[in-house]
Amino acid sequence: EADIYQTPRYLVIGTGKKITLECSQTMGHDKMYWYQQDPGMELHLIHYSYGVNSTEKGDLSSESTVSRIRTEHFPLTLESARPSHTSQYLCASSENQGYTFGSGTRLTVV
Amino acid sequence: GESVGLHLPTLSVQEGDNSIINCAYSNSASDYFIWYKQESGKGPQFIIDIRSNMDKRQGQRVTVLLNKTVKHLSLQIAATQPGDSAVYFCAEVSGGYNKLIFGAGTRLAVHP
Repeated sequence: EADIYQTPRYLVIGTGKKITLECSQTMGHDKMYWYQQDPGMELHLIHYSYGVNSTEKGDLSSESTVSRIRTEHFPLTLESARPSHTSQYLCASSENQGYTFGSGTRLTVV
Repeated sequence: GESVGLHLPTLSVQEGDNSIINCAYSNSASDYFIWYKQESGKGPQFIIDIRSNMDKRQGQRVTVLLNKTVKHLSLQIAATQPGDSAVYFCAEVSGGYNKLIFGAGTRLAVHP
Protein backbone atom coordinates (compact mmCIF):
# COMPACT_ATOMS: atom_id res chain seq x y z
CA GLU A 1 0.00 0.00 0.00
CA ALA A 2 1.52 3.29 -1.12
CA ASP A 3 2.11 6.05 1.39
CA ILE A 4 3.03 8.52 -1.33
CA TYR A 5 0.49 9.50 -3.92
CA GLN A 6 0.87 11.12 -7.28
CA THR A 7 -1.91 12.49 -9.47
CA PRO A 8 -2.71 12.31 -12.24
CA ARG A 9 -1.20 8.98 -13.36
CA TYR A 10 -1.45 9.97 -17.02
CA LEU A 11 -1.85 13.39 -18.59
CA VAL A 12 -2.00 14.49 -22.21
CA ILE A 13 -2.09 18.24 -22.74
CA GLY A 14 -1.52 20.78 -25.45
CA THR A 15 1.54 22.96 -25.87
CA GLY A 16 1.45 26.16 -23.84
CA LYS A 17 -0.83 24.88 -21.10
CA LYS A 18 -0.02 25.32 -17.43
CA ILE A 19 -0.04 22.12 -15.42
CA THR A 20 0.55 21.05 -11.84
CA LEU A 21 1.57 17.53 -10.89
CA GLU A 22 0.50 16.60 -7.40
CA CYS A 23 2.50 14.64 -4.83
CA SER A 24 1.42 13.90 -1.28
CA GLN A 25 2.87 11.67 1.43
CA THR A 26 1.38 10.59 4.73
CA MET A 27 4.58 9.53 6.47
CA GLY A 28 5.60 12.92 7.83
CA HIS A 29 8.90 12.84 5.93
CA ASP A 30 10.76 16.14 5.79
CA LYS A 31 12.70 15.34 2.62
CA MET A 32 10.89 15.12 -0.72
CA TYR A 33 12.17 14.84 -4.27
CA TRP A 34 11.07 15.03 -7.90
CA TYR A 35 12.76 12.90 -10.53
CA GLN A 36 12.31 12.96 -14.30
CA GLN A 37 12.62 9.69 -16.18
CA ASP A 38 12.50 9.04 -19.92
CA PRO A 39 11.50 5.48 -20.96
CA GLY A 40 14.19 2.96 -20.18
CA MET A 41 16.51 5.60 -18.81
CA GLU A 42 17.80 6.56 -15.41
CA LEU A 43 16.04 8.88 -13.03
CA HIS A 44 17.30 12.45 -12.95
CA LEU A 45 16.79 14.60 -9.86
CA ILE A 46 15.12 17.90 -10.82
CA HIS A 47 13.95 19.29 -7.45
CA TYR A 48 14.20 18.50 -3.77
CA SER A 49 13.05 19.88 -0.47
CA TYR A 50 14.30 19.42 3.08
CA GLY A 51 11.18 20.74 4.72
CA VAL A 52 8.49 23.39 4.63
CA ASN A 53 9.54 26.48 2.64
CA SER A 54 12.74 24.75 1.52
CA THR A 55 13.20 23.94 -2.17
CA GLU A 56 16.33 23.36 -4.23
CA LYS A 57 17.06 22.60 -7.87
CA GLY A 58 18.41 19.18 -8.65
CA ASP A 59 21.19 17.92 -10.87
CA LEU A 60 19.16 18.12 -14.09
CA SER A 61 18.04 21.55 -15.21
CA SER A 62 14.28 21.78 -15.46
CA GLU A 63 11.85 24.52 -16.45
CA SER A 64 9.45 23.34 -13.79
CA THR A 65 9.00 24.89 -10.35
CA VAL A 66 8.01 23.42 -7.00
CA SER A 67 6.61 24.60 -3.70
CA ARG A 68 6.54 23.17 -0.19
CA ILE A 69 3.95 24.94 1.90
CA ARG A 70 2.97 21.84 3.86
CA THR A 71 5.11 18.90 4.92
CA GLU A 72 2.92 16.38 3.16
CA HIS A 73 2.52 18.19 -0.15
CA PHE A 74 5.14 18.87 -2.86
CA PRO A 75 3.52 19.93 -6.15
CA LEU A 76 5.44 20.49 -9.38
CA THR A 77 4.29 23.11 -11.89
CA LEU A 78 5.04 23.73 -15.55
CA GLU A 79 3.93 27.25 -16.52
CA SER A 80 3.93 26.56 -20.26
CA ALA A 81 4.23 22.94 -21.30
CA ARG A 82 6.21 21.97 -24.39
CA PRO A 83 6.69 18.65 -26.20
CA SER A 84 10.20 18.47 -24.73
CA HIS A 85 8.55 18.13 -21.30
CA THR A 86 7.07 14.79 -22.31
CA SER A 87 8.41 12.31 -19.76
CA GLN A 88 7.58 10.45 -16.58
CA TYR A 89 7.78 12.41 -13.33
CA LEU A 90 8.39 10.50 -10.11
CA CYS A 91 8.00 11.88 -6.61
CA ALA A 92 9.76 10.43 -3.57
CA SER A 93 10.16 11.12 0.11
CA SER A 94 12.75 9.95 2.59
CA GLU A 95 13.48 9.57 6.26
CA ASN A 96 17.10 8.91 7.24
CA GLN A 97 18.18 6.91 4.18
CA GLY A 98 14.94 5.11 3.38
CA TYR A 99 13.19 6.25 0.20
CA THR A 100 9.58 5.76 -0.85
CA PHE A 101 8.57 6.44 -4.45
CA GLY A 102 5.21 7.25 -5.92
CA SER A 103 3.90 5.52 -9.03
CA GLY A 104 4.68 8.50 -11.20
CA THR A 105 2.86 10.78 -13.62
CA ARG A 106 3.36 10.08 -17.30
CA LEU A 107 3.09 13.42 -19.09
CA THR A 108 2.62 13.81 -22.84
CA VAL A 109 2.62 17.28 -24.37
CA VAL A 110 1.23 17.44 -27.89
CA GLY B 1 30.98 14.82 -11.56
CA GLU B 2 29.43 11.98 -9.67
CA SER B 3 27.96 9.21 -11.72
CA VAL B 4 26.68 5.72 -11.35
CA GLY B 5 26.51 3.56 -14.44
CA LEU B 6 25.68 0.04 -15.45
CA HIS B 7 27.74 -2.19 -17.70
CA LEU B 8 24.90 -3.99 -19.51
CA PRO B 9 21.72 -2.39 -20.81
CA THR B 10 19.84 -5.71 -21.15
CA LEU B 11 20.14 -9.17 -19.67
CA SER B 12 18.21 -12.23 -20.81
CA VAL B 13 18.15 -15.33 -18.61
CA GLN B 14 16.32 -18.61 -18.42
CA GLU B 15 13.87 -19.16 -15.62
CA GLY B 16 15.63 -20.84 -12.73
CA ASP B 17 19.08 -19.53 -13.62
CA ASN B 18 20.97 -17.05 -11.50
CA SER B 19 21.20 -13.43 -12.70
CA ILE B 20 24.00 -10.98 -12.10
CA ILE B 21 23.54 -7.27 -12.76
CA ASN B 22 26.58 -5.02 -12.51
CA CYS B 23 27.08 -1.38 -11.68
CA ALA B 24 30.03 0.99 -11.52
CA TYR B 25 30.14 4.16 -9.47
CA SER B 26 32.57 7.03 -9.51
CA ASN B 27 32.24 8.75 -6.15
CA SER B 28 34.59 6.95 -3.80
CA ALA B 29 33.22 8.99 -0.89
CA SER B 30 29.74 7.48 -1.16
CA ASP B 31 28.91 5.30 1.79
CA TYR B 32 25.50 3.90 0.93
CA PHE B 33 24.15 2.12 -2.12
CA ILE B 34 20.70 0.84 -3.02
CA TRP B 35 19.35 -1.49 -5.69
CA TYR B 36 15.89 -0.76 -7.06
CA LYS B 37 13.52 -2.75 -9.23
CA GLN B 38 11.15 -0.88 -11.52
CA GLU B 39 8.28 -2.58 -13.28
CA SER B 40 6.50 -0.98 -16.19
CA GLY B 41 4.27 1.89 -15.11
CA LYS B 42 5.45 1.85 -11.51
CA GLY B 43 7.89 3.71 -9.34
CA PRO B 44 11.19 2.16 -8.21
CA GLN B 45 10.86 -0.49 -5.54
CA PHE B 46 13.59 -1.03 -2.93
CA ILE B 47 15.33 -4.39 -3.21
CA ILE B 48 18.41 -4.30 -1.03
CA ASP B 49 20.99 -1.86 0.24
CA ILE B 50 24.56 -1.96 1.42
CA ARG B 51 26.85 0.39 3.30
CA SER B 52 30.46 0.96 2.38
CA ASN B 53 31.73 -0.80 5.49
CA MET B 54 30.34 -4.08 4.12
CA ASP B 55 31.38 -6.26 1.18
CA LYS B 56 28.29 -8.39 0.93
CA ARG B 57 24.72 -8.39 2.03
CA GLN B 58 22.09 -11.05 1.49
CA GLY B 59 18.36 -10.86 1.28
CA GLN B 60 15.72 -13.25 0.13
CA ARG B 61 17.06 -14.64 -3.19
CA VAL B 62 19.17 -11.50 -3.67
CA THR B 63 22.73 -10.68 -2.77
CA VAL B 64 24.57 -7.41 -3.23
CA LEU B 65 28.33 -7.33 -3.47
CA LEU B 66 30.40 -4.20 -3.07
CA ASN B 67 33.98 -3.88 -4.26
CA LYS B 68 35.26 -0.52 -3.11
CA THR B 69 38.67 -1.04 -4.64
CA VAL B 70 37.27 -0.92 -8.17
CA LYS B 71 34.07 0.96 -7.26
CA HIS B 72 31.79 -1.81 -8.42
CA LEU B 73 28.44 -3.13 -7.24
CA SER B 74 26.61 -6.22 -8.32
CA LEU B 75 23.16 -7.62 -7.69
CA GLN B 76 22.77 -11.37 -7.78
CA ILE B 77 19.32 -12.91 -8.09
CA ALA B 78 19.10 -16.61 -7.38
CA ALA B 79 16.68 -18.89 -9.23
CA THR B 80 15.35 -16.08 -11.39
CA GLN B 81 11.61 -16.09 -11.87
CA PRO B 82 9.35 -14.49 -14.51
CA GLY B 83 8.24 -12.01 -11.84
CA ASP B 84 11.80 -10.73 -11.66
CA SER B 85 11.49 -9.29 -15.15
CA ALA B 86 11.92 -5.53 -14.75
CA VAL B 87 14.47 -2.76 -15.02
CA TYR B 88 17.04 -2.72 -12.23
CA PHE B 89 18.81 0.42 -11.09
CA CYS B 90 21.68 0.91 -8.72
CA ALA B 91 21.72 4.18 -6.86
CA GLU B 92 24.23 5.99 -4.75
CA VAL B 93 23.32 8.22 -1.84
CA SER B 94 25.27 11.43 -2.17
CA GLY B 95 26.12 14.07 0.35
CA GLY B 96 24.38 14.93 3.59
CA TYR B 97 20.93 15.42 2.11
CA ASN B 98 20.03 11.90 0.95
CA LYS B 99 20.17 12.69 -2.76
CA LEU B 100 19.94 9.52 -4.81
CA ILE B 101 22.03 9.36 -7.97
CA PHE B 102 20.81 6.69 -10.35
CA GLY B 103 22.52 4.72 -13.08
CA ALA B 104 21.06 4.00 -16.52
CA GLY B 105 19.35 0.72 -15.59
CA THR B 106 19.51 -2.86 -16.80
CA ARG B 107 16.47 -4.56 -18.23
CA LEU B 108 16.19 -8.15 -17.02
CA ALA B 109 14.13 -10.46 -19.24
CA VAL B 110 13.34 -13.90 -17.85
CA HIS B 111 12.41 -16.56 -20.40
CA PRO B 112 10.56 -19.79 -19.55
